[in-house]
Amino acid sequence: DSGVTQTPKHLITATGQRVTLRCSPRSGDLSVYWYQQSLDQGLQFLIQYYNGEERAKGNILERFSAQQFPDLHSELNLSSLELGDSALYFCASSGGGEYSYNSPLHFGNGTRLTVT
Amino acid sequence: AQKITQTQPGMFVQEKEAVTLDCTYDTSDPSYGLFWYKQPSSGEMIFLIYQGSYDQQNATEGRYSLNFQKARKSANLVISASQLGDSAMYFCAMREGSGGSNYKLTFGKGTLLTVNP
Repeated sequence: DSGVTQTPKHLITATGQRVTLRCSPRSGDLSVYWYQQSLDQGLQFLIQYYNGEERAKGNILERFSAQQFPDLHSELNLSSLELGDSALYFCASSGGGEYSYNSPLHFGNGTRLTVT
Repeated sequence: AQKITQTQPGMFVQEKEAVTLDCTYDTSDPSYGLFWYKQPSSGEMIFLIYQGSYDQQNATEGRYSLNFQKARKSANLVISASQLGDSAMYFCAMREGSGGSNYKLTFGKGTLLTVNP
């Protein structure tokens, strides 16, 4: 058990809809990362938060947004969903400070999103 | 350019034998960390082992060891005494220390390991 909790585990929704994925990081970890895993794109970095503030954006679509709350949990909002958004979405957290590069990311079990 | 390259899409190994999964990386940053993750068919991402760019010795964690060759920019994962439960996708990943990539983890495309009984 990584200590990172993601809900829900599975999500099936229709095109055009909006969903929210939730993540609770490991106790004490201030950094939260969101990744998308699909067969054709592999593991793609979406966005990072540190202690409530956005730190970096990767290949995140404008239809997607995220935030990290004061209690450090994070939510990823996906709107106007398309078939191509079907993927496994991971949240990960890490400790070691804001500028640490030598701490591993610990991943949640992911949310499998299916858009029909 | 690819920052992490895993050239073996799939590998097969007999149970109880050792196997090496290849990983090469590309960075101009002197400070970086290299990581290996395991993803079983159930989907979770499991952290296996870490090697820092300044580490003098190769990292080891139980049956996992990392063959770190800095000059060649390679960080191969060695799994000794393979078990059926080792069958999974394995990802090599890197975090760079300069902050230019904001410390995110960059992944390779993965190697699917199958352990045969």
